[in-house]
Amino acid sequence: SQQGEEDPQALSIQEGENATMNCSYKTSINNLQWYRQNSGRGLVHLILIRSNEREKHSGRLRVTLDTSKKSSSLLITASRAADTASYFCAPQGGSEKLVFGKGTKLTVNP
Amino acid sequence: DTEVTQTPKHLVMGMTNKKSLKCEQHMGHRAMYWYKQKAKKPPELMFVYSYEKLSINESVPSRFSPECPNSSLLNLHLHALQPEDSALYLCASSQVGTSGNTIYFGEGSWLTVV
Repeated sequence: SQQGEEDPQALSIQEGENATMNCSYKTSINNLQWYRQNSGRGLVHLILIRSNEREKHSGRLRVTLDTSKKSSSLLITASRAADTASYFCAPQGGSEKLVFGKGTKLTVNP
Repeated sequence: DTEVTQTPKHLVMGMTNKKSLKCEQHMGHRAMYWYKQKAKKPPELMFVYSYEKLSINESVPSRFSPECPNSSLLNLHLHALQPEDSALYLCASSQVGTSGNTIYFGEGSWLTVV
């Protein structure tokens, strides 16, 4: 298993702005998942992108994957105060283990 | 709303106590997980059960003892814990597979060891 590294570690924006966070990893993967965690709560699955996909959308979320650069990005458009949370990426190879990086802490100011 | 239910939500225990955390899911998942999360840190994988058998133990101290009595239940038995074990303990479940399965998390059990 491997761990992703999210960047930036913290991001503060105004409501209505877009938020972009990045994830880098070291070895080849089968897929990459993004999760959100509100303070003190469990993690919520946002999106899974497979290694043969380049881009995926879900509502206001857009995820890209560049396997040549071993990186992924998560874009949240038209952010809301309710998007305030920590966001984690989890790259997966051939293992059932899901290992999380340190995450990006997003604060959306009303 | 999560479909993984964890009890209790909060637990305070002394270092000589024996207690258990419980987790239940009814999604038909055959993989279940325990994660530990300290404040301002990411969740750390502790154990993975696959078809009710322990498949991964991330070198967790023996004072943490997992148990999977059936396909819907996962327990974490706690004994002789230390104050540094205070954390949020997250249970999760998924379909069995090598990867690419969405993992569903419970809301966690907050553990304080005094």
